[in-house]
Amino acid sequence: NAGVTQTPKFRVLKTGQSMTLLCAQDMNHEYMYWYRQDPGMGLRLIHYSVGEGTTAKGEVPDGYNVSRLKKQNFLLGLESAAPSQTSVYFCASTPGRRDIDTQYFGPGTRLTVL
Amino acid sequence: GQNIDQPTEMTATEGAIVQINCTYQTSGFNGLFWYQQHAGEAPTFLSYNVLDGLEEKGRFSSFLSRSKGYSYLLLKELQMKDSASYLCAVADSNYQLIWGAGTKLIIKP
Repeated sequence: NAGVTQTPKFRVLKTGQSMTLLCAQDMNHEYMYWYRQDPGMGLRLIHYSVGEGTTAKGEVPDGYNVSRLKKQNFLLGLESAAPSQTSVYFCASTPGRRDIDTQYFGPGTRLTVL
Repeated sequence: GQNIDQPTEMTATEGAIVQINCTYQTSGFNGLFWYQQHAGEAPTFLSYNVLDGLEEKGRFSSFLSRSKGYSYLLLKELQMKDSASYLCAVADSNYQLIWGAGTKLIIKP
């Protein structure tokens, strides 16, 4: 099992460009999450999904969109990147809502927006 | 609002003991977590407390007092590989995790 994988690992964008971050898990987990991590701040939840075809907003959803067309994949899109979106992005998954003690993280995507 | 506080940075000596504190104010409580995060890597799960008291796992122990909104992570027999950030997180009433900013632990020989 690969667990949770993320692509790409690194990316540099110019302001206004768009991109999609891909998260994939092979554990048949229902719940998937996108976080961002910034220096001096805790992980902040961007969006999450409770199952295929469903998504919900987290703490900091503005400027991001997500899709969960297949159970194993959770995509995070930036339509028009801004320097404030420079961050490390982590994807995570859990079997269910109450299984938060088994939260599995991907390796992260380091995004710089110039 | 929801808030989790932990020290920004701590320094300790190899072989010693260190205690990392975490205080929280959240909407509801469904457990407190400690994660370890080495530089440039993803967080990995260390411990979970939902009832008051001490949970021990080898060199690591975690304590919770729900009435005081307080937890600590105790690391014994420190090793150089324990140099990392330690993240405190609380599950709120909706089982969403609220994360502290993390404590960077520096281990000196």
